[in-house]
Amino acid sequence: ILNVEQSPQSLHVQEGDSTNFTCSFPSSNFYALHWYRWETAKSPEALFVMTLNGDEKKKGRISATLNTKEGYSYLYIKGSQPEDSATYLCAFFMDSNYQLIWGAGTKLIIKP
Amino acid sequence: DAGVTQSPTHLIKTRGQQVTLRCSPKSGHDTVSWYQQALGQGPQFIFQYYEEEERQRGNFPDRFSGHQFPNYSSELNVNALLLGDSALYLCASSGDRGPSYEQYFGPGTRLTVT
Repeated sequence: ILNVEQSPQSLHVQEGDSTNFTCSFPSSNFYALHWYRWETAKSPEALFVMTLNGDEKKKGRISATLNTKEGYSYLYIKGSQPEDSATYLCAFFMDSNYQLIWGAGTKLIIKP
Repeated sequence: DAGVTQSPTHLIKTRGQQVTLRCSPKSGHDTVSWYQQALGQGPQFIFQYYEEEERQRGNFPDRFSGHQFPNYSSELNVNALLLGDSALYLCASSGDRGPSYEQYFGPGTRLTVT
């Protein structure tokens, strides 16, 4: 059974603080790792698609790193803002298996 | 440019009934995937359609079936509904079925089975 684990399950962060959370996935047969942001009452929105070990991607104040050998990815948010409040989901794409396996998400709440 | 649309938004059905959910992909996308999301869990992959054929299937029973039309829109059918089928059903489209392509999601259909 393939498992994608995300931690923590939820996180309260003060506005202006930086934060990060983790996505763990099987290290064998890696193909791609996706990060999505899901705001309440909206559709999930893609943040990053990462395919190479050591890859780092950035979009504004949000960045992500990827370690395929040990099977983890970190998502970082610098200077959290209220609009960052959302559930952040990661999904793992295994080689030759055309389906995304999803974690349960990290729910981020930014306190003003 | 219209994004991914799904209908209906909400649906209430009785155990044993059948339901059809609909999805129109983002313009230019030919691949549609369906997911089931139960409360507190991540989305679970049901199946993916590409070129009007089911290309990949997750661990769901045959009660779950689908179809893709020539215009790339798709339907998800669930027969003999069970209480456990109550969930949010998400449709996602992408420009290719490969793993490097981000998926664009619709707003989902909330199915309640009573």
